[in-house]
Amino acid sequence: DTEVTQTPKHLVMGMTNKKSLKCEQHMGHRAMYWYKQKAKKPPELMFVYSYEKLSINESVPSRFSPECPNSSLLNLHLHALQPEDSALYLCASSQIGTFAYNEQFFGPGTRLTVL
Amino acid sequence: QQQVKQSPQSLIVQKGGISIINCAYENTAFDYFPWYQQFPGKGPALLIAIRPDVSEKKEGRFTISFNKSAKQFSLHIMDSQPGDSATYFCAASTRRGSTLGRLYFGRGTQLTVWP
Repeated sequence: DTEVTQTPKHLVMGMTNKKSLKCEQHMGHRAMYWYKQKAKKPPELMFVYSYEKLSINESVPSRFSPECPNSSLLNLHLHALQPEDSALYLCASSQIGTFAYNEQFFGPGTRLTVL
Repeated sequence: QQQVKQSPQSLIVQKGGISIINCAYENTAFDYFPWYQQFPGKGPALLIAIRPDVSEKKEGRFTISFNKSAKQFSLHIMDSQPGDSATYFCAASTRRGSTLGRLYFGRGTQLTVWP
């Protein structure tokens, strides 16, 4: 099973709402990633979790709060977002470590619209 | 700065033709070079990848050519089909040091294959 699943597929929220994005993988990968992708641009790294610990935070605003409850699950909690945060949010997973090449598998994404 | 430079930005090819997308990098620590294919509204899908110990890798109609001395690699799509119309991203990563887990993406190439 080489699948990364994400829910919901679409999300519309107001600037005062609190919502969460969810991601799940069952490939035994120990690294999980959140990316943000704007139209016609490459994915932009937000966070990396390695062995359930946050290892990279690309100076993401605190209105985005990641959480990794276990090795298969990754959440992204959203609060007080701005319209410019509207984008496709992608989750990915991979093996990690000096023994492993960075073969990342992406989920289908959550299309987020902030009104 | 852009770690991986990709060209062209857009490419139009007739059905049955060869599509060629080029990427270049500077960081000699990169040791893994994947290509991703992305359809509108979907997550990127890992298409094919190469390591610098080989000069070419072929999977079906897709071939990566790798030139280590020139620090360039390219994707060739033989017998291009309308179903290949998508955005293609090259990327690079290294297993070394603090950049562990990062994929450095090119800006993407929008491929259109005319029937």
